[in-house]
Amino acid sequence: EDKVVQSPLSLVVHEGDTVTLNCSYEVTNFRSLLWYKQEKKAPTFLFMLTSSGIEKKSGRLSSILDKKELSSILNITATQTGDSAIYLCAVEDNAGNMLTFGGGTRLMVKP
Amino acid sequence: DGGITQSPKYLFRKEGQNVTLSCEQNLNHDAMYWYRQDPGQGLRLIYYSQIVNDFQKGDIAEGYSVSREKKESFPLTVTSAQKNPTAFYLCASLRVPGGEQFFGPGTRLTVL
Repeated sequence: EDKVVQSPLSLVVHEGDTVTLNCSYEVTNFRSLLWYKQEKKAPTFLFMLTSSGIEKKSGRLSSILDKKELSSILNITATQTGDSAIYLCAVEDNAGNMLTFGGGTRLMVKP
Repeated sequence: DGGITQSPKYLFRKEGQNVTLSCEQNLNHDAMYWYRQDPGQGLRLIYYSQIVNDFQKGDIAEGYSVSREKKESFPLTVTSAQKNPTAFYLCASLRVPGGEQFFGPGTRLTVL
């Protein structure tokens, strides 16, 4: 059974801090790892990491996939209050376009 | 605009009632999914469908039913057999083969 574990469960930082969110996974036939940001309602897509694209960056956010360690990190630099959200990690296997989600990390950025 | 719509936004149900949550997409995506999210938790898969007239159970299908008569639509029925249905329900779709899933805005179901 595929499994995704995120840590920490929750995190409180101040504006300007840098945070690192962790995601580890066990999946039979790995295809990709995805990061989503969920504020109040629907998760919005951040990054997809695959064997051919193990590092992605967009503005203050960046993510790296470590296929050897079966893990990924999501970094947010110079955090802002608008970064406050639940960050979800999901892995996709080759079997059938399925995503297995982790439990999420709740990030709160204080002014 | 292309996207996924869910209705209603909020739904209140009395114990013992069946309710149906709507999910429609105009993205021409083949696969559609229903997830449940409980407070402070990640998403758990209820049902998914990769093609019209076919669907499979996810991790927590008990007490739920779905249909996929049209490519655009994937309604979820929460039956009275679901013991703890109060939750936030998210529908998603995906163009096969795999990639990012697009999510609808969600339906918050509360059992009174």
